[in-house]
Amino acid sequence: QSVLTQPPSASGTPGQRVTISCSGSSSNIGNNYVYWYQQLPGTAPKLLIYRINQRPSGVPDRFSGSKSGTSASLAISGLRSEDEADYYCAAWDDSLSGWVFGGGTKLTVL
Amino acid sequence: QVQLVQSGAEVKKPGASVKVSCRASGYTFTSYYMHWVRRAPGQGLEWMGIINPSGGSTSYAQKLQGRVTMTRDTSTSTVYMELSSLRSEDTAVYYCARSTSGWYGGPDYWGQGTLVTVSS
Repeated sequence: QSVLTQPPSASGTPGQRVTISCSGSSSNIGNNYVYWYQQLPGTAPKLLIYRINQRPSGVPDRFSGSKSGTSASLAISGLRSEDEADYYCAAWDDSLSGWVFGGGTKLTVL
Repeated sequence: QVQLVQSGAEVKKPGASVKVSCRASGYTFTSYYMHWVRRAPGQGLEWMGIINPSGGSTSYAQKLQGRVTMTRDTSTSTVYMELSSLRSEDTAVYYCARSTSGWYGGPDYWGQGTLVTVSS
């Protein structure tokens, strides 16, 4: 059971906007930055969003992050077939004194 | 450009130990902490711990305390992760990943991954 809770799956059609949620607590998301990662099959994870809503260079602005209280969200607009992947949220946890990941959300582009 | 190159796949028997290496290049090795993260088959990402390549200080996930050891060699810009008393549940792809900012920065650049298979 992951400390951060994500829906196991999400789906959308090309061009749609989808949102993936990540629920935590005051010891992690509530008081710390949230990061989002994309993992395509057979490849290493890739940083999509850091410090809640910052995009590394090269990440399209179709990807955006937000936070409210102890929950965070990743939004993907203009969905494309190449967005089909697993998505993970992560944050530092003050109580555990370590990093925690969400269980991951498998995004399917229909 | 930042590159993290990991050692090759390993097959180990239950009870044995494994040591995975991660050689960094393209940046100042001692200026960025390094995470280790694993992904077991059919599971999500699991944080294992982090090492400060400058002084060698470490922080490990509570679940792995006593079984995991992270070290570094500044002369070769390499970090190592050793996991002992292996069991089948340790079968996973292991990744090193550079921290964006010390203990409290999430990973940015990732290694290619090392498959460790634990099987009798």
